[in-house]
Amino acid sequence: DADVTQTPRNRITKTGKRIMLECSQTKGHDRMYWYRQDPGLGLRLIYYSFDVKDINKGEISDGYSVSRQAQAKFSLSLESAIPNQTALYFCATSDFEETQYFGPGTRLLVL
Amino acid sequence: AQSVSQHNHHVILSEAASLELGCNYSYGGTVNLFWYVQYPGQHLQLLLKYFSGDPLVKGIKGFEAEFIKSKFSFNLRKPSVQWSDTAEYFCAVNTYNNNDMRFGAGTRLTVKP
Repeated sequence: DADVTQTPRNRITKTGKRIMLECSQTKGHDRMYWYRQDPGLGLRLIYYSFDVKDINKGEISDGYSVSRQAQAKFSLSLESAIPNQTALYFCATSDFEETQYFGPGTRLLVL
Repeated sequence: AQSVSQHNHHVILSEAASLELGCNYSYGGTVNLFWYVQYPGQHLQLLLKYFSGDPLVKGIKGFEAEFIKSKFSFNLRKPSVQWSDTAEYFCAVNTYNNNDMRFGAGTRLTVKP
């Protein structure tokens, strides 16, 4: 079984809709992250969490929110999706040595 | 905040050619350095990392990287590439006690058989 899973894997939505991307991990790590990947821009950090009570904004948090429901679960929400949020979204966890373990990604298209 | 530059956007090599991918970062303090690889259709996985000690780091699949502090660089090398090395390679940096990880834009490597 995969250590970091993301649902859904693909999603098409319309401008203005609220959507949630979910991430679960079985690695037992406290630290979890959400990134988006855009061609030519690499990965950019949206939010990260060091434990259930700790949430931090990353480089590009505007238009996004997160929820850390448990150590193993970290959800990303787009309150009102817009077309420039079309991207590939990755969840990751990290160990105490900061090595990041990535999920398979969620491909999001906002029409 | 720190930033990461990867100067090569797309590199095309023939099998057995040597590879060097550049990575420079902008931050004057202590850093942790990483190279990740993303094979077609797969998620990112760690190739190698540097935290301290020997600046020449060896990773999986014959890759290595050298940390040159004076040049703020962490270039990735492989003496002889294979077709299976075709992938996108990302350099990443985070600073000591600051877990705001920054990735470079990525370098796409195409290895011709």
